[in-house]
Amino acid sequence: QVQLVQSGAEVKMPGASVKVSCETSGYSFNNYDINWVRQGTGQGLEWLGWMNPYSGATNYGQKFQGRVIMTSDPSKGTAYMELSSLRSEDTAVYFCARFPRHYLSTLDYWGQGTLVTVSP
Amino acid sequence: QSALTQPPSASGSPGQSVTISCTGTSSDVGGYNHVSWFQQHPGKAPKLIISEVIKRPSGVPDRFSGSKSGNTASLTVSGLQAEDEADYYCSSKADDNILLFGGGTKLTVL
Repeated sequence: QVQLVQSGAEVKMPGASVKVSCETSGYSFNNYDINWVRQGTGQGLEWLGWMNPYSGATNYGQKFQGRVIMTSDPSKGTAYMELSSLRSEDTAVYFCARFPRHYLSTLDYWGQGTLVTVSP
Repeated sequence: QSALTQPPSASGSPGQSVTISCTGTSSDVGGYNHVSWFQQHPGKAPKLIISEVIKRPSGVPDRFSGSKSGNTASLTVSGLQAEDEADYYCSSKADDNILLFGGGTKLTVL
């Protein structure tokens, strides 16, 4: 069955970077793209960007350009999202979610989420 | 890149129907048939319940239906059940191949 399993919770200092992993299984990794979405406590969903694990192509949300890097390791079926220059408002649960190529809004399988806490 | 507009709350009694709206612009909701709806229970990841405006993934009850008119998409939940109480989010592809979410609607089953 399709699974996306994310790395564990992180606590970071302001100004630091965090790298969250998303290990996939149960489907062909190169045939689906990955979205990254976050959710602050009691807040709504916010899109960070997407990446194509096959070509390495990415498209980042304007708010995160210059601070986010999305990569993948096809040999491990794993996607990564690194966010730098962290500030307190980056405290959130970060989700990866796959979507069929060209169907950007069809996030049909999600990871369990990774809590990133930014605190001095 | 503004978020899509949803009502913050909606409610209905068991067995009733409720409709949640999602309003965007011609650059997102109105310009693409790439509107999805997600259901999220507390502490859980969102779950896809409607894709491409009207498609229901396997396993999603047919009580959930989607539609779109102009720049506004809608989710209708018919025959409300207690387990439908959750947060609901719309999303849409937008110009420049980006994804927008609505602010979310908390559905209460009275």
